[in-house]
Amino acid sequence: GQNIDQPTEMTATEGAIVQINCTYQTSGFNGLFWYQQHAGEAPTFLSYNVLDGLEEKGRFSSFLSRSKGYSYLLLKELQMKDSASYLCAVMDSNYQLIWGAGTKLIIKP
Amino acid sequence: GAVVSQHPSRVICKSGTSVKIECRSLDFQATTMFWYRQFPKQSLMLMATSNEGSKATYEQGVEKDKFLINHASLTLSTLTVTSAHPEDSSFYICSARGSSTQETQYFGPGTRLLVL
Repeated sequence: GQNIDQPTEMTATEGAIVQINCTYQTSGFNGLFWYQQHAGEAPTFLSYNVLDGLEEKGRFSSFLSRSKGYSYLLLKELQMKDSASYLCAVMDSNYQLIWGAGTKLIIKP
Repeated sequence: GAVVSQHPSRVICKSGTSVKIECRSLDFQATTMFWYRQFPKQSLMLMATSNEGSKATYEQGVEKDKFLINHASLTLSTLTVTSAHPEDSSFYICSARGSSTQETQYFGPGTRLLVL
């Protein structure tokens, strides 16, 4: 079956760095997405990786290793507004998005 | 990024009534639109995928006669919850994607439905 694993919850301190991991097992691979979802709101797009390596976008970076079925989202200089759920989603061979359950990130002052 | 709107943002209705939710892509042509449902503290659950001009493809366990989807144009899709019941109360979110299957899905702001 298809499976996306990410930690349920993480806690970090304002100003620090946090890495949210995502491992996947899917039937085919056409890219991996990270979305941010604040409580009570819809997800917003953060990043897309289809090739191995690191994609940097401001304070957020996303890494992909296709051979390991692994990705991480790195958040630097954490701000209180970064408190949210972070969703990992993989596009399979049918171009369907398979969603992880999300990682709730709690930022403490 | 692309902009997707959803209307209404919040709706309260009586049990047995029908509710229509609109999803619009404002600055791009959405060949494919997706409808999701999310219960509190749970992950997104895909309900159906609709391509412009054709019938929607429903996920297993989703009643097509209860959740009517129409994708009549490249910028508009509608979800109608027919004969709504309290268990249909949820957060309904649409997303839209352009013509390439590898394009990013952009989400609407969601519609919170409460059925009394």
